[in-house]
Amino acid sequence: QQQVKQSPQSLIVQKGGISIINCAYENTAFDYFPWYQQFPGKGPALLIAIRPDVSEKKEGRFTISFNKSAKQFSLHIMDSQPGDSATYFCAGGSGGGADGLTFGKGTHLIIQP
Amino acid sequence: EAGVAQSPRYKIIEKRQSVAFWCNPISGHATLYWYQQILGQGPKLLIQFQNNGVVDDSQLPKDRFSAERLKGVDSTLKIQPAKLEDSAVYLCASSSTGTQPQHFGDGTRLSIL
Repeated sequence: QQQVKQSPQSLIVQKGGISIINCAYENTAFDYFPWYQQFPGKGPALLIAIRPDVSEKKEGRFTISFNKSAKQFSLHIMDSQPGDSATYFCAGGSGGGADGLTFGKGTHLIIQP
Repeated sequence: EAGVAQSPRYKIIEKRQSVAFWCNPISGHATLYWYQQILGQGPKLLIQFQNNGVVDDSQLPKDRFSAERLKGVDSTLKIQPAKLEDSAVYLCASSSTGTQPQHFGDGTRLSIL
């Protein structure tokens, strides 16, 4: 299975700062790129997703930037809050999102008050 | 709407025993996925159903894992016999159509002694 590489593994950001998580994918068949947020003991919850026909998507404080030629995408969390402390996973999928997702290994984000 | 329901939440068994997990997807969701999440990693797809048919089981260890979705609604995932490396959280997800977001349950945490 072709990988999705995610970095950094862990990240500490001050409250009000910008959190940035990066992902790179190998499978050129991927056409759907979601980000999931996971709290301890809970299942992943969809945060925001992008398709490769756009280079950026913004929803509230969350922005995905997508670079198709580099096969990279990133999540930016603006004005980071302590409640954003969680593990974040990027993923890639094909079939417009119909197929099962290939996840990165996750980023443990801590927002310090 | 009610989310994806999974049971049990926790299960502890000894190696070589068998275990089964149950998933009830969101009402009306035709597509159902089972993922395995090992501690510190992202979820890994095991099997995908469309109604009661298997779409993708390429990553399911078929010598010990089996899954079914007999009436196109609930699904069960079974492991027999369990190995130590099967210790993980088993997540079920569903989507209304293939191109709609996958919604995850909170998973079953399996510990093998």
